[in-house]
This record gives sequence, C-alpha cells and structure tokens, in this order.
Amino acid sequence: DGGITQSPKYLFRKEGQNVTLSCEQNLNHDAMYWYRQDPGQGLRLIYYSQIVNDFQKGDIAEGYSVSREKKESFPLTVTSAQKNPTAFYLCALYSRGYTFGSGTRLTVV
Amino acid sequence: AQSVAQPEDQVNVAEGNPLTVKCTYSVSGNPYLFWYVQYPNRGLQFLLKYITGDNLVKGSYGFEAEFNKSQTSFHLKKPSALVSDSALYFCAVSPTGGGNKLTFGTGTQLKVEL
Repeated sequence: DGGITQSPKYLFRKEGQNVTLSCEQNLNHDAMYWYRQDPGQGLRLIYYSQIVNDFQKGDIAEGYSVSREKKESFPLTVTSAQKNPTAFYLCALYSRGYTFGSGTRLTVV
Repeated sequence: AQSVAQPEDQVNVAEGNPLTVKCTYSVSGNPYLFWYVQYPNRGLQFLLKYITGDNLVKGSYGFEAEFNKSQTSFHLKKPSALVSDSALYFCAVSPTGGGNKLTFGTGTQLKVEL
C-alpha cells in the first residue's frame, strides 16, 4: 500500500504472550501512527510518533508499547496486559494526509 | 474535543441509483474533513478531503462530498452507484490547521445490489 508494509497479515497469539506487529515504510515520512479497528467502533489511536526516538500515547495506549529507533520502522507490541487484544491493527503515515498499511489481524487463542 | 458521527451503520442502494453516506462533525474552528474507503481485510484508501474553498469536493472513483458549515455535515455522494462500490466508508476530521491527529467515525457499510 504505497510504501508502507505491515507484517504479518494474520497473527495468532496465546493468552499471556506478548506479540510484536511490524510496520515499515520507505517514504521517508516522519509521522507514523498505530490504530486499532473493532467492528462498529471505527479506528482508535493507540500510539503515534512524529520523529525518531519520540512517541506519544493515543486514546487507548494501555496494554501496548512502541519504539521508534529508526525512521523506517515503528513496531507495536501488544502485551499480556491488553485485556482484549483481538482486533485489526492498522499502521499509517502522515504527510499532507494519511497513507495506511494493509493491516494485521491479531487473534488471541 | 472533536468528534464525528456516521448515523447509519449500513446503507443499501440499487446499482445505478444515487447514493449518500452521511457524516456530521464537531470540532473547534474550521475543520479538515476526509472520507476513506476500506475493502475487507485491507487498509483505508483515501477518497477525498475538504480543507477550504468550494463546498463541493470531488474525489476518486466518481465520489464527491458536500461541506455544509451550518449543518456541520460532510455527506459523501455518488450519482450512480456500482456493485464494486460496496465497502466500508469512514468519515474523519482533524482540527483547524490540519495537524495530523484524525478522529474517525464508526463507519458505514455500503451495499450496492443489482
């Protein structure tokens, strides 16, 4: 999806385990975002980063963590503290508008 | 705080008929407004945006949207629907000056039938 890659597309996790979702970009954009999508709730902002080595909590950051060590990469870790992690996760870039990745569907089994 | 409302969970329309997907917003100052479309298990694709100027905005795939400041609405429209338009549509708003923190509506599922 236009230079932003999310992997894997589908991910299964056992309860109590941490899991990391990958988001990589080659568009040289500074701002990157993680959203969570649940049916009937739209998209909710988890974390965002506007520059390397800096990030801010969004509206639903509890149970998640991120890092931004490189401009190209903004991985999201879903920790065991996240009460209801099963969802569709979308990474996005911002530069005069959003560009979204194709998403990762996480299922807790 | 800014917010977006999409009052219809689903809209059904026959192919060839006009379609409207409704969106109302609440934000301080002059808003930046967006429409995105999502196909199953995919990311969101940009359709169109309103920042300033003409209240009728034309976007991708024949879609357009009308900004109405007095009614705080930004309804998405298309004169003649196609079956391939069936998808999930999101309205979003960001505050004056753009910025980059979008608030999304809950989405409207559009179903176009033969």
